[in-house]
Amino acid sequence: GAGVSQTPSNKVTEKGKYVELRCDPISGHTALYWYRQSLGQGPEFLIYFQGTGAADDSGLPNDRFFAVRPEGSVSTLKIQRTERGDSAVYLCASSSPGVQGYNEQFFGPGTRLTVL
Amino acid sequence: LAKTTQPISMDSYEGQEVNITCSHNNIATNDYITWYQQFPSQGPRFIIQGYKTKVTNEVASLFIPADRKSSTLSLPRVSLSDTAVYYCLVGDTSPPNNAGNMLTFGGGTRLMVKP
Repeated sequence: GAGVSQTPSNKVTEKGKYVELRCDPISGHTALYWYRQSLGQGPEFLIYFQGTGAADDSGLPNDRFFAVRPEGSVSTLKIQRTERGDSAVYLCASSSPGVQGYNEQFFGPGTRLTVL
Repeated sequence: LAKTTQPISMDSYEGQEVNITCSHNNIATNDYITWYQQFPSQGPRFIIQGYKTKVTNEVASLFIPADRKSSTLSLPRVSLSDTAVYYCLVGDTSPPNNAGNMLTFGGGTRLMVKP
């Protein structure tokens, strides 16, 4: 079956511009996660959705970052007034409840964002 | 949040068994231990999860001592394709309030398998 997909795969923008990154989770997965990964580091949690609502947005670095999931499926991560420090790979993952809760996250390939 | 500590890197040779240990001294009663594998330019991939004692699947085994303050991921007979970064995560799998506990990846262990 189809896995988690993310578009675009690469995005190059200029400092100060607005960008949107899209995530299509696995069909039926109620939980969706956004992470950011800088070179040589592990993924850093940004935000977690349970259905349509953001259950935990404590990882968003500042108010320039915002994410939505209006219908409980596709999610969009929005970054305003981009800065060079926002350059990273943005990963999306989804999961569904199992016997032990939400145990396995399925990751997409990521969107590589470069801010010039 | 339960913090994890792993070796930064490890080297091995094809056909050997590799054991990667993760320390998590302040693991909570409801926390599970999960390991992910990540190849360059790909998202992490779930390997195995456990709560106590031993868990085995088709790709790895996970050993957890009685005090649960550490865990060891065991990869039998590694091949070149096992070269990757391995992450240990500790947290409660039950949403929603504890979701953040599952989401701290740390720096991971870079495993290099040599021919």
